[in-house]
This record gives sequence, C-alpha cells and structure tokens, in this order.
Amino acid sequence: KAGVTQTPRYLIKTRGQQVTLSCSPISGHRSVSWYQQTPGQGLQFLFEYFSETQRNKGNFPGRFSGRQFSNSRSEMNVSTLELGDSALYLCASSLSGTDTQYFGPGTRLTVL
Amino acid sequence: DQQVKQNSPSLSVQEGRISILNCDYTNSMFDYFLWYKKYPAEGPTFLISISSIKDKNEDGRFTVFLNKSAKHLSLHIVPSQPGDSAVYFCAASEVPNDYKLSFGAGTTVTVRA
Repeated sequence: KAGVTQTPRYLIKTRGQQVTLSCSPISGHRSVSWYQQTPGQGLQFLFEYFSETQRNKGNFPGRFSGRQFSNSRSEMNVSTLELGDSALYLCASSLSGTDTQYFGPGTRLTVL
Repeated sequence: DQQVKQNSPSLSVQEGRISILNCDYTNSMFDYFLWYKKYPAEGPTFLISISSIKDKNEDGRFTVFLNKSAKHLSLHIVPSQPGDSAVYFCAASEVPNDYKLSFGAGTTVTVRA
C-alpha cells in the first residue's frame, strides 16, 4: 500500500510570496494533519482535517490555511511568506484521526 | 510554549549497549505518550506508545517507562544497533491516539560500531 506522499519535496520562495503544499494520504485514510518542523522546536501542530472539515488548529497566524478535498487529499497554503516560515512541513494521515498517524517525507520550504 | 521537552539534542552509544532517551512534559492533561523515529529525508515513523495508566510498555528491543508524578518518560533501546541511528521524537496527547500531538525537539542517536 502506498504511503503518504507530499509534493513538492523542496521549494524555494522569497518573502512576501505565497505557497501551496500538497499531501496525499494513504488510501482509505480520511484524517490529515499538518505539522511544521523547525530546528530546536520539534514538530508543531498546524491543523487537522477530516472529511473536508477542519477539526482543530494550532497556534499559527491566519497566514497559514488549509483545506481537504473529497478524495481526502489536502493542501496547505502560506501567504505573505516570512523568513521564519522556512521549515520542513510534514503531513500525517490516519483512518479517522483517533489511530496511529503515518507521516509523509515532508516538504522543505526555504524562504529567502 | 514547549510542553514536551527533550533536553538532550544528541546521544552517542556503542553498538550492543543500551540507549536511554529522556523526555519531560509540563501539561498535566497529557494522557498518552508516543515515540517516533525519523531517518533523514523520511517522515517520522511510530515506534512505541504508552498510556498514562501504565508505567512501562515493551516492544522487542524498545521499552518506554512513564513516571507521571515526575512528568517524565524515557525510551530504552537494548541492545542498540547501527540501524537505530536516527532522530527520536517524544510526543504526547491529551487523549489516546489523538491527531493533535505535541512533540519534543528530538534527540539524534548515533550508534557506533
């Protein structure tokens, strides 16, 4: 069974631009969570989607948004990029959100 | 506000010896704890978990110990193998298997041959 896939794997943007990252969950999984990983901070929860609905959101500014499609694929968008947004963005999927999460390889975003 | 802390950023251990990774948390509402392992260029993979009703959970070479009163948990790997070289993340949630996990900053383990 294919794992969680994320595209693109690497991205370079400049300050002020916006970016969209994509996550395809494991087939049959309906919950997708997003995390930001920065050095020294570990993974920080961004938000979670289940059946196209955002169920919870972490402590991130409104510039960070996301959505989920009917096929459970999810996208996250960051507008007006700042240097501090440079990070590894990971998504994880699970069947319902109340079971083991499986992570994708991440998208490495660099903001110049 | 880091609710889960891994104060040792790195650990070097000889092959065959025990690796002990530590994790502290501040949120008394945390009820479920997990360890994830991450290789470079890959996402974290689930390793082992423990519920707050237990103080120990074992899975093969991996054992997690929980001390609720001290808000401390540890992961023991015995014996350590070269393939165990990775970054280990401690995570916690307020309910079992919750999608909203709070992670520590990670400990990089290097197993020397």
